[in-house]
Amino acid sequence: EVQLLESGGGLVQPGGSLRLSCAASGFTFSRYTISWVRQAPGKGLEWVSGISGDGADTYYADSVKGRFTISRDNFKNTLSLQMNSLRAEDTAVYYCAKDRNWADGFDVWGQGTIITVSS
Amino acid sequence: EIVMTQSPDTLSVSPGERATLSCRASQDVSSDLAWYQQKPGQAPRLLIYGASTRATGIPARFSGSWSGTEYTLTISSLQSEDFAVYYCQQYHDWPPLTFGGGTKVEIK
Repeated sequence: EVQLLESGGGLVQPGGSLRLSCAASGFTFSRYTISWVRQAPGKGLEWVSGISGDGADTYYADSVKGRFTISRDNFKNTLSLQMNSLRAEDTAVYYCAKDRNWADGFDVWGQGTIITVSS
Repeated sequence: EIVMTQSPDTLSVSPGERATLSCRASQDVSSDLAWYQQKPGQAPRLLIYGASTRATGIPARFSGSWSGTEYTLTISSLQSEDFAVYYCQQYHDWPPLTFGGGTKVEIK
């Protein structure tokens, strides 16, 4: 079964850091671009960051550029998101999502992990 | 950045009726558009990609079309399980990938 499973969410103070992970199974992980997409409470979907299959290319939304770093380990089939200088507006459910082929829709999503930034 | 605008915000439809959801792109996205369904407490599910191609396992009552920069998701006969929030997303010009604000389809 094709699956993505996020972990690492929790409560963090403003200015703090957190590292999210996404474990993949059931497909050839290294062949696909994977992204992080977030959803603030009661709000819509916001793409946050993506990384190419070989890890050579990374992409960020302006709202997180310079604060978040995406990476992947194709030997361990895991995706990570290092989140620094967290703000209240980063509070959201964070999903990892797999490209169908190349940036043509996300066909597999994790269940999400909740990040709350609050003092 | 390409801005995606969905309308209406909420659509009230009776079961068995047809639902038509709209998504307008701020510039040409050349049918590089996906539609997702999201139910409360769940991750989104891919319905349509390439503006009109149903994803694996998606029922035929879901269809996508477009004209210019206006994209449409049609649900031909609403079933109880179709009441949800629907999002469009463009992948023509990125980063950033951008989503519309969503349309909630509720029971009339």
